[in-house]
Amino acid sequence: EIVLTQSPGTLSLSPGERATLSCRASQSVSSNYLAWFQQKPGQAPRLLIYAESSRATGIPDRFSGSGSGTDFTLTISRLEPEDFAVYYCQQYGSSPWTFGQGTKVEIK
Amino acid sequence: QVQLQESGPGLVKPSETLSLTCTVSGGSISGYYWSWIRQSPGKGLEWIGYIYSSGSTNYNPSLKSRVTISVDTSKNQFSLKLSSVTAADTAVYYCAMGFDIWGQGTMVTVSS
Repeated sequence: EIVLTQSPGTLSLSPGERATLSCRASQSVSSNYLAWFQQKPGQAPRLLIYAESSRATGIPDRFSGSGSGTDFTLTISRLEPEDFAVYYCQQYGSSPWTFGQGTKVEIK
Repeated sequence: QVQLQESGPGLVKPSETLSLTCTVSGGSISGYYWSWIRQSPGKGLEWIGYIYSSGSTNYNPSLKSRVTISVDTSKNQFSLKLSSVTAADTAVYYCAMGFDIWGQGTMVTVSS
C-alpha cells in the first residue's frame, strides 16, 4: 500500500500569511489521483482538492494543489481565520486508498 | 444537495458484529460509488471500502476478511457490517459519496 507522509506536523502562522503543506508518497501516485481535505474539530473531513489540483465545488481560489509522482503540495495563499484546521492528503490511485497523518495549521 | 446520515448502535461488544447504515437524501444512490471511512486517534483516517450502486465492492485488504458493504437502492441506503470487533475498531465511522461528500460521522465504541 502507498504510505503518505505529511510535513510539517504543525504549522504556526498568522492570518494573511501563506501556508505550504507537503505530502510525500512512498511510491508514485497513479494518474496524480491525490486529494486534500480540511477537518475542523467535531466535523467530518471536507474535500478541498482532487486530482492533485482541481478545486472541489465551492472551495475558494486561495486553496491550490500542485505536484506529481510522489511529491504534492497544498498552498493556502492568504490564511483566513476559518482556515485554521487539520489538513489531510489522500491517494485514490491505488487500492487501498490511504491518507496521510495530517498537518495542523494553528494560529501563531 | 446530497446529504448522508449514518445510523446504528454506538456501543458494540467485543467479538460481535458492528452494523451501520447510511441514508442518502437529496439525490439518487444509483450511478455512483459509496464509501465507508473510519477515524480513530490511534490510526487516523482509514478507508474501509466502497460499493458501486450496481453492487460491486472494493475493500481494504487489512479489513477484507471481516467487512461486508451492501446497497439497497430501493431505500437509497448502503450499509456496513464489520464482524469480530475488538477495541481497535473503536472509531468515528463516516459514510461518503465517493470521497466528495461525507456524513457527519457516528462514534462506535467496542466495549463489554
